[in-house]
Amino acid sequence: DTEVTQTPKHLVMGMTNKKSLKCEQHMGHRAMYWYKQKAKKPPELMFVYSYEKLSINESVPSRFSPECPNSSLLNLHLHALQPEDSALYLCASSPGGTGGGEQYFGPGTRLTVT
Amino acid sequence: GEDVEQSLFLSVREGDSSVINCTYTDSSSTYLYWYKQEPGAGLQLLTYIFSNMDMKQDQRLTVLLNKKDKHLSLRIADTQTGDSAIYFCADPESNSGYALNFGKGTSLLVTP
Repeated sequence: DTEVTQTPKHLVMGMTNKKSLKCEQHMGHRAMYWYKQKAKKPPELMFVYSYEKLSINESVPSRFSPECPNSSLLNLHLHALQPEDSALYLCASSPGGTGGGEQYFGPGTRLTVT
Repeated sequence: GEDVEQSLFLSVREGDSSVINCTYTDSSSTYLYWYKQEPGAGLQLLTYIFSNMDMKQDQRLTVLLNKKDKHLSLRIADTQTGDSAIYFCADPESNSGYALNFGKGTSLLVTP
């Protein structure tokens, strides 16, 4: 299995809703990432988990809450989002737990906040 | 973070070669990467090159690296309409072992 899967593919939520994005990989990778990508822009790093511990939080607002239940799963919990949070949310993983190496991306969740 | 620069658009005819260029500033990068993003999809790792190599060929793809000028290029031979996508050049951020510095992406349009 050489892919990163993400669910749901699309999500529409109101500003008072709570929802979660899910990401899974079975490649034995030890680092997992959340990125946010706006249209026509490169991905922006949000969080990195290394060996299931949060290694990097790129000053992301607290309405985004990541969770890594085990080495294969990564969640992003969403609460009280703003319309400007609408974007494509990408999950990625890489083999090295200490950083570096090629990153493999999932197909993304297209989030719309109304 | 360090800068990675790319031209924004490239249009080629089907069957021609495409060359997408990238310049970077971090001379300590061990690897440099090319990603492809088709509309509505995630990023696909196309290829990467070690910093001690000048060239890497993989089927229709050729990556050239000029370390002295910090210039990276991706050549796609016999470009097909399915190659139409955004291509991102990326190098690892030196301050963090994890983050990738992405260029703004080059939008390649292949016309019949």
